[in-house]
Amino acid sequence: EAEVAQSPRYKITEKSQAVAFWCDPISGHATLYWYRQILGQGPELLVQFQDESVVDDSQLPKDRFSAERLKGVDSTLKIQPAELGDSAMYLCASSPGLAETSSYNEQFFGPGTRLTVL
Amino acid sequence: GQNIDQPTEMTATEGAIVQINCTYQTSGFNGLFWYQQHAGEAPTFLSYNVLDGLEEKGRFSSFLSRSKGYSYLLLKELQMKDSASYLCAAGDSNYQLIWGAGTKLIIKP
Repeated sequence: EAEVAQSPRYKITEKSQAVAFWCDPISGHATLYWYRQILGQGPELLVQFQDESVVDDSQLPKDRFSAERLKGVDSTLKIQPAELGDSAMYLCASSPGLAETSSYNEQFFGPGTRLTVL
Repeated sequence: GQNIDQPTEMTATEGAIVQINCTYQTSGFNGLFWYQQHAGEAPTFLSYNVLDGLEEKGRFSSFLSRSKGYSYLLLKELQMKDSASYLCAAGDSNYQLIWGAGTKLIIKP
């Protein structure tokens, strides 16, 4: 069964260090999402890609966060420098597309990366 | 504005039935999703409603009323493994999901 892959699963870093997360969506899925989820809250969208283009990064703290999906397949999310408040679960999800012909746009999630900033 | 409201926590007994409510307000509407999330894990898809009415899938059912901006997830014959958070999410006009904070469901023997 096709799955979204993410690595690493867990990351512990010190504040002011740089961290990077990787995501490989389900093959053929055009849309890729990066979310941040704090314990007890719902996922917060950081960035949405359609193929290699950014569709929405309005909630991405661009002074320290960056995201890319150069070939429209896998994606990397980077934080530099990390801050204590960045401790959270970082989730990657993919979906078949923007669904111009259908309103059904289920998102499939990877296992997530649990980031702890000390 | 865009908003999703659902209860923070609910408790139910093994073998019983529980209904988790969700109200939503979005700019445009492209369906209502329910996801299950066990502690420390990623959300997994449970159901999708875009038309009014009840969708049944085994022990789980989901209901939607578009005119009322209301949905519920009904879980029957509760099992201990159903202890999890249940996330309500509404699709908006940009095909993004507006997420609720989740309802933590505690199942007691």
